[in-house]
Amino acid sequence: AQSVTQLDSQVPVFEEAPVELRCNYSSSVSVYLFWYVQYPNQGLQLLLKYLSGSTLVESINGFEAEFNKSQTSFHLRKPSVHISDTAEYFCAVISHGGSYIPTFGRGTSLIVHP
Amino acid sequence: NAGVMQNPRHLVRRRGQEARLRCSPMKGHSHVYWYRQLPEEGLKFMVYLQKENIIDESGMPKERFSAEFPKEGPSILRIQQVVRGDSAAYFCASSPEQDTQYFGPGTRLTVL
Repeated sequence: AQSVTQLDSQVPVFEEAPVELRCNYSSSVSVYLFWYVQYPNQGLQLLLKYLSGSTLVESINGFEAEFNKSQTSFHLRKPSVHISDTAEYFCAVISHGGSYIPTFGRGTSLIVHP
Repeated sequence: NAGVMQNPRHLVRRRGQEARLRCSPMKGHSHVYWYRQLPEEGLKFMVYLQKENIIDESGMPKERFSAEFPKEGPSILRIQQVVRGDSAAYFCASSPEQDTQYFGPGTRLTVL
């Protein structure tokens, strides 16, 4: 069975400060990992993903995440946040060889203050 | 390439009525997934379909809920005899293979 834990339900931060949103997963096999962002009243947008290869993956808007197999983590980071980054962020995992149905975390609300 | 399309975006039904939610996947995507999202909760998987086949419906309630993805046309999530507890946002996602999913804007169902 696979599971995802997003430890922080809410992360308040000031504009231009760095931020880290934590994600830990559990799976007995190899995994694919994803971060999605959801703005109010919208669907989920893929932010970045790890399928294989380099453990550090980046998005076009300055976010990055690093797959750490030993710590079973896939934390999302940004060195300097903007007001427009205020949104809900979801981490998801897919285990290889199963039904390929992703399991989502409960989400972390990033609130960027001016 | 248009994204995943869902309609209607908002749907209001009275208790006991039927709700039909439609999802058109991205062009070239043969895998469709339906999820339900309640306030303050993450996404809960409901059903995974490929053309004309239900692959995994382990997240679907046993009664009143059904889904299809016909050879022609959109995927349909059907909820019969809706109750207030069915009020939620329903999201559809599609993928070309069994990894990255792309989400639609969702249908927000309100049951009065």
